[in-house]
Amino acid sequence: QLQLQESGPGLVKPSETLSLTCTVSGGSISSSTYYWGWIRQPPGKGLEWIGSIYYRGRIYYNPSLKSRVTISVDTSNNQFSLKLNSVTAADTAVYYCAVTNQGDMATTFWGQGTLVTVSS
Amino acid sequence: SYELTQPPSVSVSPGQTASITCSGDKLGDKYACWYQQKPGQSPVLVIYQDNKRPSGIPERFSGSNSGNTATLTISGTQAMDEADFYCQAWDSSTYVVFGGGTKLTVL
Repeated sequence: QLQLQESGPGLVKPSETLSLTCTVSGGSISSSTYYWGWIRQPPGKGLEWIGSIYYRGRIYYNPSLKSRVTISVDTSNNQFSLKLNSVTAADTAVYYCAVTNQGDMATTFWGQGTLVTVSS
Repeated sequence: SYELTQPPSVSVSPGQTASITCSGDKLGDKYACWYQQKPGQSPVLVIYQDNKRPSGIPERFSGSNSGNTATLTISGTQAMDEADFYCQAWDSSTYVVFGGGTKLTVL
């Protein structure tokens, strides 16, 4: 059973870069079965997919965020990371790291989520 | 860009059947999945590949997908089923797409 844990600052200033890391336990991030990705949820609103990465380097980003997002994998530490630059208040959200099946793109495992607030 | 549309809210009486729809262009040609999210919790996958239930999901949850509409059906709805539900699909241009979510109220 995969377990995911997000970590990173809970407060980011406008125009700066939001950086989060997801630590994976119970399985290898080098698995060919999964995509590793990020999903966010602004307070009181719905889910928004940010992007997903396959360990061999294939990456998909939400077209609406693509210019500001970087997702990467650290196989030596069994972690993957999110960087979102030039943040504004609209980026305030609970950020989930998540595991998506390679075949049907259903998200099977979710982290507990971490609230990131963008404010000066 | 590809979009999925859900009704904002659905109400059902305990023991009755709840149906939540998700509409998108030629959605039936794609795999649809459904998530349940209770307040303060992470979403949980309840249906994948249109109609399959992950281990541990009660049999009262079922799904279908045809034409432009996917439907999540909850038979014999219980108070514990009250939650927000989100549909999701994969599109070749927009990739992972979520519906806007439906709040299920068990009255």
